[in-house]
Amino acid sequence: QVQLQESGPGLVKPSETLSLTCTVSGGSISSYYWSWIRQPPGKGLEWIGNIYYSGSTNYNPSLKSRVTISVDTSKNQLSLKLSAVTAADTAVYYCAREGDKRVLDYWGQGTLVTVSS
Amino acid sequence: DIQMTQSPSSLSASVGDRVTITCRASQSISIYLNWYQQKPGKAPKLLIYAASSLLSGVPSRFSGSGSGTDFTLTISSLQPEDFATYSCQQSYSTPWTFGQGTKVEIK
Repeated sequence: QVQLQESGPGLVKPSETLSLTCTVSGGSISSYYWSWIRQPPGKGLEWIGNIYYSGSTNYNPSLKSRVTISVDTSKNQLSLKLSAVTAADTAVYYCAREGDKRVLDYWGQGTLVTVSS
Repeated sequence: DIQMTQSPSSLSASVGDRVTITCRASQSISIYLNWYQQKPGKAPKLLIYAASSLLSGVPSRFSGSGSGTDFTLTISSLQPEDFATYSCQQSYSTPWTFGQGTKVEIK
């Protein structure tokens, strides 16, 4: 059974860079796309972007100038960096696998990141 | 970007009720429409993909229909464990986009 676990600081200061890691276990990171999604408190889901195991990326245009997603196949991990954060970036951040038929079939439990000084 | 609009944003229903949630896309997305269930403090769970295909292990009281721009999620007989928020998501073109969610509450 594939499992995903997000990790990283729960508090980031405004204007700094948010950095999260997603560790995949129970399966290989190869041959799939992997997404980052976020959910502000009490609001809906927003797709941030995805990465293929080869390193090819797609980003949401609304965040593209601030986002970098990378993959480390040797560690079975993907990473998210979001620069110049503001309070509007406060959210639960999820990583998820894009399975067959372009569905988000496995999700991490999510990690709350608060942007505050 | 393709905008996804769900209705209603919330509803109150009783155990045993039939519940219908609609999702409309701002342009045709064929059948590239997925439904997720989310309980408080938990990650979303995939229920239905490709508009009407039930994920293995999901109870048959859940069903999906539609194509093009209009889609429906139906719960034929609401059970206590079904009280949750349901979100649609298009996977026709990136950026993937979600509906704002429909919260199903106990009446």
